[in-house]
Amino acid sequence: GAVVSQHPSRVICKSGTSVKIECRSLDFQATTMFWYRQFPKKSLMLMATSNEGSKATYEQGVEKDKFLINHASLTLSTLTVTSAHPEDSSFYICSAAGTFSSGANVLTFGAGSRLTVL
Amino acid sequence: DQQVKQNSPSLSVQEGRISILNCDYTNSMFDYFLWYKKYPAEGPTFLISISSIKDKNEDGRFTVFLNKSAKHLSLHIVPSQPGDSAVYFCAAKRGYGGATNKLIFGTGTLLAVQP
Repeated sequence: GAVVSQHPSRVICKSGTSVKIECRSLDFQATTMFWYRQFPKKSLMLMATSNEGSKATYEQGVEKDKFLINHASLTLSTLTVTSAHPEDSSFYICSAAGTFSSGANVLTFGAGSRLTVL
Repeated sequence: DQQVKQNSPSLSVQEGRISILNCDYTNSMFDYFLWYKKYPAEGPTFLISISSIKDKNEDGRFTVFLNKSAKHLSLHIVPSQPGDSAVYFCAAKRGYGGATNKLIFGTGTLLAVQP
């Protein structure tokens, strides 16, 4: 149980285009989803927290107009990198938090998405 | 402001010996600490956790120790196995229980277990 699917796993795009990354909880309802970014040999940096049906809360220094986060349902959150630049190239990871039908709490990470902007 | 720090970027140990990974934090409001293991191009997987009201938690080969006065925790792996080779992140959050409180991650330590 507690499976989070993140798609695509790898994406290459041209500078100036927008890229959407999806994060789905497959067997539980995720009331909260987190989006992280990892630079090479660096920590996982929390970008934003999204709660289903409400606006995402962005961490200090993260441009909300650049990184659009939508959490329209209890099983899906999307991160859209708008007008991508080479410096946006990174590894993006989502995690989903919620509860199983049993009532047990769960927090699971997706496998990550490698974005390369040319 | 790095609230959770892992000062050793890498660690190499022999198979069968003990691996000790260290983590320091600055925010005394953290209530819960977790260790994650991560392989390249994959998401972190949960290993073990400890609440701030305890000083030790053990799960098989993994033991986490917490020293609140020193704001320090450590993960002990014994005996170490080659399959343990990965990047280990410590993480902290405020609030007991629940999964919806945000995690603050350390910078990670690359563990290499030599056969």
